Amino acid sequence: EVQLVESGGGLVKPGGSLRLSCAASGFTFSSYSMNWVRQAPGKGLEWVSSISSSSNYIYYADSVKGRFTISRDNAKNSLYLQMNSLRAEDTAVYYCARDDAVDYWGQGTLVTVSS
Amino acid sequence: EIVMTQSPATLSVSPGERATLSCRASQSVSSNLAWYQQKPGQAPRLLIYGASTRATGIPARFSGSGSGTEFTLTISSLQSEDFAVYYCQQYNDWLRGTFGQGTKVEIK
Repeated sequence: EVQLVESGGGLVKPGGSLRLSCAASGFTFSSYSMNWVRQAPGKGLEWVSSISSSSNYIYYADSVKGRFTISRDNAKNSLYLQMNSLRAEDTAVYYCARDDAVDYWGQGTLVTVSS
Repeated sequence: EIVMTQSPATLSVSPGERATLSCRASQSVSSNLAWYQQKPGQAPRLLIYGASTRATGIPARFSGSGSGTEFTLTISSLQSEDFAVYYCQQYNDWLRGTFGQGTKVEIK
């Protein structure tokens, strides 16, 4: 059974940092591109960042470019999102998501940026 | 960036009726278009990929059509569990997926 389990969310002050993790199981992690998608409270879905299967290609939405860093460890079947210089508008549920047409999603982890 | 525009924002439908949701891309995305359903407090669920292929376990009352820039999701006979928010997403621009703003299907 495919599972994606996010962790690392929480309350952080503006300007602070958080590192999200996603533990993957039930599939060959190293064969898939992976993504972070977020959803602000009461809002729609926003594609945040993607990484190719071998980490050769990376994409960031303009809203997070220069502040967020995506990475993966195929040996540990894990995906990460380092978030720096956090702003109030980064408050959202962050989902770990598999592949281009996302067939599997994690349950999400809530990031709240507030003083 | 490819911009996805969904219409209408809200669709009021009675149970048993047909619902038709639209999605337009700012440039051609070929057939690289997916539809998702999201219920409150849940992660989205993949319904359709490749514009018209139902994902595993998705009932036949859900169908997708279109290519290029114009796409449609049709729910042939709405069931109570279908009232939710629906998003389209293009993945033609590799690693640069973009979502529409969503269509809420509510009970009339």
